[in-house]
Amino acid sequence: SYELTQPPSVSVSPGQTARITCSGDALPKQYAYWYQQKPGQAPVLVIYKDSERPSGIPERFSGFNSGTTVTLTISGVQAEDEADYHCQSTDSTKSYWVFGGGTKLTVL
Amino acid sequence: QVQLVQSGAEVKKPGASVRVSCEASGYTFTTYDINWVRQATGQGLEWLGWLNTDSGDTGYAQKFQDRITLTRDTSSSTVYMELSGLKSEDTAVYYCARFPSEDSSGFWPPYWGQGTLVTVS
Repeated sequence: SYELTQPPSVSVSPGQTARITCSGDALPKQYAYWYQQKPGQAPVLVIYKDSERPSGIPERFSGFNSGTTVTLTISGVQAEDEADYHCQSTDSTKSYWVFGGGTKLTVL
Repeated sequence: QVQLVQSGAEVKKPGASVRVSCEASGYTFTTYDINWVRQATGQGLEWLGWLNTDSGDTGYAQKFQDRITLTRDTSSSTVYMELSGLKSEDTAVYYCARFPSEDSSGFWPPYWGQGTLVTVS
């Protein structure tokens, strides 16, 4: 079955840039979505269609698709950005959805 | 405003079945698919399946193909997720969700239910 691969953890200091990757064979053809999730809360969409930012999401969040890898970039990381980040996409035939394993972002 | 309200926590014995409901409001129920996602403590999100609220068509993750059934009641704008043959590994928070979508009106963000804790013990 189709899988999306994320690193388990990423650590950065405040003010630095965090980059979280998500790899999958269908990503050149299918859009990726990124969610932020804090403990005890439902996920919040931060990027859709690879690089679009929903209203209300800070400009420091951006996304990029480079083929089989999509990257969520958080510029000027703040303490409040510490959370789990999950990528989401579909298989090549759009038959089913899949999530990456999630990446824990730690702000040092 | 769009709301997805789920039924309350459940405790089940191994081998039993559980049914979780998800009542939608604030929009035309049959316009959008409903998906189900679960999350075990400390783990990632896991997609279980989708239901077309208009036709009733369904699609399930291969892992759950034999154990999951999604149904809907259009008269009450409610979707049901039933999972059978429960194991301890099925202990998780189960979410119903309307995933991001686009139509002629533009982009629609995702909406999530509040989550339902299912404990198998």
